[in-house]
Amino acid sequence: KQEVTQIPAALSVPEGENLVLNCSFTDSAIYNLQWFRQDPGKGLTSLLLIQSSQREQTSGRLNASLDKSSGRSTLYIAASQPGDSATYLCAVTLTGANNLFFGTGTRLTVIP
Amino acid sequence: ETGVTQTPRHLVMGMTNKKSLKCEQHLGHNAMYWYKQSAKKPLELMFVYNFKEQTENNSVPSRFSPECPNSSHLFLHLHTLQPEDSALYLCASSPIGQNYGYTFGSGTRLTVV
Repeated sequence: KQEVTQIPAALSVPEGENLVLNCSFTDSAIYNLQWFRQDPGKGLTSLLLIQSSQREQTSGRLNASLDKSSGRSTLYIAASQPGDSATYLCAVTLTGANNLFFGTGTRLTVIP
Repeated sequence: ETGVTQTPRHLVMGMTNKKSLKCEQHLGHNAMYWYKQSAKKPLELMFVYNFKEQTENNSVPSRFSPECPNSSHLFLHLHTLQPEDSALYLCASSPIGQNYGYTFGSGTRLTVV
């Protein structure tokens, strides 16, 4: 069974700092990996989708990387802002399946 | 709106009540999902529907009954729930066979009293 782990569970940084969130998964036969953002009590907003054949994806201040062989992904956030405060979730889809396996998330607080 | 709409946003129900959650998408996706999010636990897949057919039931108790009348609508019928069923219930949709990722709704916050 696919296990997805996110470290750290919580992170506080001052505004303007660059930061990295980590995601690891146990089964490297993934179809894709998706990073989501979740605000308290709300649904999930998709941030970036990385296909299994890709190494990274970028959107604005966000950059996600994927290393399938080592079972790792990182989400880099540049010049963090208080509006970035949320829980960030990593999820993978296995080849031949249409189910997402989620990590428990990293709760990010950006301090003004 | 994300393209996936869930109603109601909040629901409080007694253990003897019967209620239904609704999910609707007009993204042209042909797979729909129910997920449960409890405090301090990863999102748990409950049900998967592909082209209106249920393809996965992740050992969900029978007090949760899904219904998918067409590719755009998904329901979760609830009856005789327990307090531990209180959680955020999220609906998602995706294309099948295309690597475009999943779109989630805003969820229904369910409290069982």
